[in-house]
Amino acid sequence: SQQGEEDPQALSIQEGENATMNCSYKTSINNLQWYRQNSGRGLVHLILIRSNEREKHSGRLRVTLDTSKKSSSLLITASRAADTASYFCAPNQAGTALIFGKGTTLSVSS
Amino acid sequence: NAGVMQNPRHLVRRRGQEARLRCSPMKGHSHVYWYRQLPEEGLKFMVYLQKENIIDESGMPKERFSAEFPKEGPSILRIQQVVRGDSAAYFCASSPSSTGTGFTGELFFGEGSRLTVL
Repeated sequence: SQQGEEDPQALSIQEGENATMNCSYKTSINNLQWYRQNSGRGLVHLILIRSNEREKHSGRLRVTLDTSKKSSSLLITASRAADTASYFCAPNQAGTALIFGKGTTLSVSS
Repeated sequence: NAGVMQNPRHLVRRRGQEARLRCSPMKGHSHVYWYRQLPEEGLKFMVYLQKENIIDESGMPKERFSAEFPKEGPSILRIQQVVRGDSAAYFCASSPSSTGTGFTGELFFGEGSRLTVL
């Protein structure tokens, strides 16, 4: 198992702006997943990108993966107050548990 | 299809008592994972289990903590002789069999059990 490192640790933006979070990891992966955690709740899976993919979209989410740099980014476009949450990346290797970092805490103010 | 069910949602124990946290995975899921989260911190991996087997317990403290996932019934995380430092939210997640087609490793989380040790 390996842990992803999210950056920045905290991000504050206004509604309507875009939010970009980054993730770095150390060794080869099968896929990389992003999760969201609202305060006091369990994590919710957002999107998964496989190691042979470079970009993936889901609604207002856009994820990129650069396996040569061992990094990924999560872009949330046109942010809303409801996007306020902590976001975690999880690099996944076959047969191992997901290890989460400290996450990026996103605050979207109206 | 019910999600991952954890109970109790809140548990208060005095120092030295035992805490038992239960997790029922999603229907059809045979893998269970336990994580611990301290206030304002990320999730720390504790243990990964399949039915009747512990796959990875590298995150479990060596003493006082144990986990099981029996053939029948929920997974149990047991903390003996609790101390104040055990106060945290404990999250359970499940996933389908890793040998199934399309397995991605995506986890489905419960809402957590919040343990307070007085």
